[in-house]
Amino acid sequence: EPEVTQTPSHQVTQMGQEVILRCVPISNHLYFYWYRQILGQKVEFLVSFYNNEISEKSEIFDDQFSVERPDGSNFTLKIRSTKLEDSAMYFCASNDGVSNQPQHFGDGTRLSIL
Amino acid sequence: AQTVTQSQPEMSVQEAETVTLSCTYDTSESDYYLFWYKQPPSRQMILVIRQEAYKQQNATENRFSVNFQKAAKSFSLKISDSQLGDAAMYFCAYRSAAPGNQFYFGTGTSLTVIP
Repeated sequence: EPEVTQTPSHQVTQMGQEVILRCVPISNHLYFYWYRQILGQKVEFLVSFYNNEISEKSEIFDDQFSVERPDGSNFTLKIRSTKLEDSAMYFCASNDGVSNQPQHFGDGTRLSIL
Repeated sequence: AQTVTQSQPEMSVQEAETVTLSCTYDTSESDYYLFWYKQPPSRQMILVIRQEAYKQQNATENRFSVNFQKAAKSFSLKISDSQLGDAAMYFCAYRSAAPGNQFYFGTGTSLTVIP
């Protein structure tokens, strides 16, 4: 079964540095998402992306964050000037656009800010 | 915005027994979808079961079934014949019917299975 793949599985970064989290969604999917899960808390929506542009974003997704689909396969989340509170698990998800289908999640990238 | 509430932070069940995890949600929409995801210690998000709001019949997937009460906005998950591998965090999630909409997650229920 096709999978959403995320790299790296664990990223350790110094506070203030920029980090790029990478995702390869399922190939025929049209909608792409980033979610964040701070340790011990619920999964929170960050942003959705469709037709090469952001379709929706949460209040968490401020100017520090950006997303890009640089080619036909990758979907990236960039976090600039990382802060300690950005430490979390970041999940990428994709969906084929059929309304009753679930989102398929990647295994997540654990981001640790030191 | 829609909200999803899981009022049981932790639950435990004896192996081979049945357990029910609760979920309620708040929405003004009439058409939407509900999901249960399982998150084991590896922290993957694994789809367990889904329910379309327009369907009256409760969804079933092997040992997993739901009790969907639309009027009460309740969506509980029943796990029958619990197995050690069922131990995980379980998240209830809501999504409105329009394609591409985001998920709203509950805070999760941590399920322990006692051998």
